[in-house]
Amino acid sequence: DAGVIQSPRHEVTEMGQEVTLRCKPISGHNSLFWYRQTMMRGLELLIYFNNNVPIDDSGMPEDRFSAKMPNASFSTLKIQPSEPRDSAVYFCASSPAGQGTEKLFFGSGTQLSVL
Amino acid sequence: GNSVTQMEGPVTLSEEAFLTINCTYTATGYPSLFWYVQYPGEGLQLLLKATKADDKGSNKGFEATYRKETTSFHLEKGSVQVSDSAVYFCALTPSGGYQKVTFGIGTKLQVIP
Repeated sequence: DAGVIQSPRHEVTEMGQEVTLRCKPISGHNSLFWYRQTMMRGLELLIYFNNNVPIDDSGMPEDRFSAKMPNASFSTLKIQPSEPRDSAVYFCASSPAGQGTEKLFFGSGTQLSVL
Repeated sequence: GNSVTQMEGPVTLSEEAFLTINCTYTATGYPSLFWYVQYPGEGLQLLLKATKADDKGSNKGFEATYRKETTSFHLEKGSVQVSDSAVYFCALTPSGGYQKVTFGIGTKLQVIP
């Protein structure tokens, strides 16, 4: 299995531009998570999908952030408009079954820099 | 709510030294506990886990024991190698239901030859 695939690996954009991050979870996994990692705040859960349905989006910072999962093999995280404080590494992770004992499988992340 | 507290790094050790990274947690019921490792430029990957009290998780020479009485899950390794240099995250998921993982802040380990 190829693992969780994220694209792009690096994104540099200017303030005010729209940014779209993409994720392909592991086939058969029905839980998908978007995390943001910064030095100051560590790993923050942004949103959790189960069977393509958003279950918990309480971590989405504000209306500029939106996430979709149109099918079981694809998810996007969009920031519009982007701001310099959005600069971080964004990780997508997937897991089978969504039970508490299962481990998360992480992608390699997208390093976002907003100038 | 649930929380995980782990020692702040960086931790710098010489090769073959003994490693302990402390982790304590706050949660109701019986959460599952995890240690994840992040190598430079990569995503997190599971190192070990324990799902009930007194369980010991182990992998690649690392081990941690689920201590309900002290709400702790300290990570240990008897002899570290340069290749163990990474950031280590303690994490928990609540018992039953939705798998919302709570991560600690991460502890950076640097092993020098």
